[in-house]
Amino acid sequence: DTEVTQTPKHLVMGMTNKKSLKCEQHMGHRAMYWYKQKAKKPPELMFVYSYEKLSINESVPSRFSPECPNSSLLNLHLHALQPEDSALYLCASSQGGGGPSRTEAFFGQGTRLTVV
Amino acid sequence: AQSVAQPEDQVNVAEGNPLTVKCTYSVSGNPYLFWYVQYPNRGLQFLLKYITGDNLVKGSYGFEAEFNKSQTSFHLKKPSALVSDSALYFCAVNRDSNYQLIWGAGTKLIIKP
Repeated sequence: DTEVTQTPKHLVMGMTNKKSLKCEQHMGHRAMYWYKQKAKKPPELMFVYSYEKLSINESVPSRFSPECPNSSLLNLHLHALQPEDSALYLCASSQGGGGPSRTEAFFGQGTRLTVV
Repeated sequence: AQSVAQPEDQVNVAEGNPLTVKCTYSVSGNPYLFWYVQYPNRGLQFLLKYITGDNLVKGSYGFEAEFNKSQTSFHLKKPSALVSDSALYFCAVNRDSNYQLIWGAGTKLIIKP
């Protein structure tokens, strides 16, 4: 199984809503990532979890809150988002939680988020 | 500072012709280089990587890339393009002990029948 599964595929939310994005992988990878991608742009790293601990937070606003309940699951909790937060949110995983620089990342298909 | 450049926003190729998507990089130390492809409304898919060893790397879907240290390049190539190769291609670089891939801006590849 080489899949990273993200749900939901599409999400429309108001600026006062609370929602969560979910990501799951069963490849035994120990590093998991959240990226934000605007149309036709490269992905921007938001968070990295290594061995279920948050290791990188790229100065992401607190209205985005990540959670890693176990080694296979990654959540992104959303609250009080702004319209400019509308984007494709990608989850990824890779081997080697201690430094995956040499290993490729496997990406999910993403959640298309629209904030209204 | 580390950087990756993809000098072409778009590359147009006729089906059956060879294709090249260019990538140059600037990084201190040994680079680890990656190519990813993104089809419309999809996540990114890994194509190939260079870590060490043979400068010619073969990857998925018939793609290959050549690492050139003197020119600091890692161009993506395919001998015969397919219409289904039309997509957005990203080059990325990393170095040891670093989670943070540095991404190129992306190149849109259009294969015309």
